[in-house]
Amino acid sequence: DTAVSQTPKYLVTQMGNDKSIKCEQNLGHDTMYWYKQDSKKFLKIMFSYNNKELIINETVPNRFSPKSPDKAHLNLHINSLELGDSAVYFCASSRREGPPGELFFGEGSRLTVL
Amino acid sequence: AQSVTQPDIHITVSEGASLELRCNYSYGATPYLFWYVQSPGQGLQLLLKYFSGDTLVQGIKGFEAEFKRSQSSFNLRKPSVHWSDAAEYFCAVGAGGTDKLIFGTGTRLQVFP
Repeated sequence: DTAVSQTPKYLVTQMGNDKSIKCEQNLGHDTMYWYKQDSKKFLKIMFSYNNKELIINETVPNRFSPKSPDKAHLNLHINSLELGDSAVYFCASSRREGPPGELFFGEGSRLTVL
Repeated sequence: AQSVTQPDIHITVSEGASLELRCNYSYGATPYLFWYVQSPGQGLQLLLKYFSGDTLVQGIKGFEAEFKRSQSSFNLRKPSVHWSDAAEYFCAVGAGGTDKLIFGTGTRLQVFP
């Protein structure tokens, strides 16, 4: 009964490959996010979707393409992976009408690009 | 622009000792302020939040934080630390009306028996 679940948890791949990370939440929330945590533990928002509509897009390279088939899912596809893409990617969700900033995070997906 | 500073990268305390983790923010209006905790290999969990009203807020796991506007601070405290509190702690600020959180760089807490 995990609230926010991400798959895969670990991903090791070569430079230049394309990969996807999936996220699902069963909390009934209408807003979902992708955050990137680098090797120094710095967390930065990448994207936010509300009811399948893109709300926040933070100067992320267009090799990163989020897709939200419905409000319970937000997937992240990355093309032409680079070494600098190595990080932990966190999915999160919240209720739009709820208190701002109350995010529920998944356990993260650690991406290693060789 | 909003920003959050956590001056302490790493703090070590003995079990049972008191704890204070520092957080300073930069924001033009009254901010929404948060503390999140990240246990090893886990996602982040909300500890407590401040929106308005009483400047001393209580959270889960016995944590509290005090908002001091004059110092632009939102320090996290716990009177007696348990070994299970060892984790990474993140302070965050949210711009009013948006879901965009700006996180600090985190403080790693180590607890010795």
